[in-house]
Amino acid sequence: NAGVMQNPRHLVRRRGQEARLRCSPMKGHSHVYWYRQLPEEGLKFMVYLQKENIIDESGMPKERFSAEFPKEGPSILRIQQVVRGDSAAYFCASSPRTGDLGEQYFGPGTRLTVT
Amino acid sequence: GQQLNQSPQSMFIQEGEDVSMNCTSSSIFNTWLWYKQDPGEGPVLLIALYKAGELTSNGRLTAQFGITRKDSFLNISASIPSDVGIYFCAGRDVGNQGGKLIFGQGTELSVKP
Repeated sequence: NAGVMQNPRHLVRRRGQEARLRCSPMKGHSHVYWYRQLPEEGLKFMVYLQKENIIDESGMPKERFSAEFPKEGPSILRIQQVVRGDSAAYFCASSPRTGDLGEQYFGPGTRLTVT
Repeated sequence: GQQLNQSPQSMFIQEGEDVSMNCTSSSIFNTWLWYKQDPGEGPVLLIALYKAGELTSNGRLTAQFGITRKDSFLNISASIPSDVGIYFCAGRDVGNQGGKLIFGQGTELSVKP
C-alpha cells in the first residue's frame, strides 16, 4: 500500500514565479492536510481539504496561496508570485477519518527554494 | 498561533541509555501523536494516543496521554544509533473541529555509539 506521495521533492523558483506542489494521499484516504516547516522549527498547519471542499484554511496566508483537492487527481498547493520568505519544506498528510480522530500520515515533502 | 512546549530541545546520550521527552499545552487536547523525522524526510508516526491516562507502547517506545489532557511524554528505552533524529509531539485541541494538528518545536536526539 503506497504511502502519501508528493512531487516534486525539490523545487527551485525565482522571485515572482509560481510554485505548484502536488500531493496524492494514501489509497482510501479522503482527507488531506498541508503543513509548512521552516528550518529548525516544527510543522505549521496551513489547510485541510476533503474532495472538492476546503474545510479549514485558517493557516493559509491571505494572499498568493491557494489549495485544491479535485474529484480526480492529486491535491495541489499553489503559491503565486513567490518571495524568499516562502522558502520552506511543505508537507502533505492524509487521514482516513474525519478530523476529530484519526492519525495523519505524512509524505516526504517538497523543499521549495526561492532565489 | 497556538504552540506546544516541547522539551528538551536536544539530547546527547550514550547508546543503551533511556530517553524521555515531553510536551505541554495551555489548552486541553483530545489527541496526542508522536512523530520522528529524519533529515530530508517527512515525519513518521510512532504512537497515537486518544484517552487521558492512556499508556501505549511501540517496541522500545512508550508514550502516555497525561491525565490533565494538557501534556504527553515519550520514553525510548535502550537507545540505539538509528534512534537519531528529531522527535515531534503533535496534538489536537478539543475546540478544533477540523482536525488540524499543532506541533511542538521538536527534540533533536543524538546517540553516541
